[in-house]
Amino acid sequence: QSALTQPASVSGSPGQSITISCTGTSSDVSDYNYVSWYQQHPGKAPKLVIYEVSNRPSGVSNRFSGSKSGNTASLTISGLQAEDEADYYCSSYTRSSTSRVFGGGTKLTVL
Amino acid sequence: EVQLVESGGGLVQPGGSLRLSCAASGFTFSSYWMHWVRQAPGKGLVWVSRINNDGSSTTYADSVKGRFTISRDNAKNKNTLYLHMNSLRAEDTAVYYCARDRTKFCSGGNCYSGYAFDLWGQGTMVTVSS
Repeated sequence: QSALTQPASVSGSPGQSITISCTGTSSDVSDYNYVSWYQQHPGKAPKLVIYEVSNRPSGVSNRFSGSKSGNTASLTISGLQAEDEADYYCSSYTRSSTSRVFGGGTKLTVL
Repeated sequence: EVQLVESGGGLVQPGGSLRLSCAASGFTFSSYWMHWVRQAPGKGLVWVSRINNDGSSTTYADSVKGRFTISRDNAKNKNTLYLHMNSLRAEDTAVYYCARDRTKFCSGGNCYSGYAFDLWGQGTMVTVSS
């Protein structure tokens, strides 16, 4: 089962916006609006920040937004803050037998 | 409080077995699909297994199929998810998280997945080494 493809790292300065991409295939990202994104701080459990491509759970800052075009989903964080520094993972439903797949993760550094 | 608490991790020799537990509280456990996700040291998240709300359907990653078994106890005084792990290998070394699936809706006792993990436990470490 191949993972979704994410950049290993991205960085930005406080106040700026960054975008993290998540590339899949026609078996997952392209054909289904079930892409979700997770934030993980070191030593902590992941936290859901976006579901169904662009929906934010209650309590998640509106600085987090999601979108999708073709087989690539994206997470955008605007107005970067120091607390946003973390690892971010995308996930998607896949019609393969396993049904769920994660991206390899992206380390966000706030300069 | 809505939470998931894993237990059962530890050091086990290659070829050995271990049973992980995940105690759920603060929500109607029987209405949610549940998952196990693992993370090897310094690596990314990897989905392991899932079970539907009433335990009648399960799915596994190819890497654990035939060795791991997911199950659940929906009794009110249990509300617990399990992962039975057999024939453990060094590459199974990881933090194991249980995660709740975001329910889309329920109808007639069947609940349907929202395909996102909306609640996570703190994780339990499994180390496979001689």
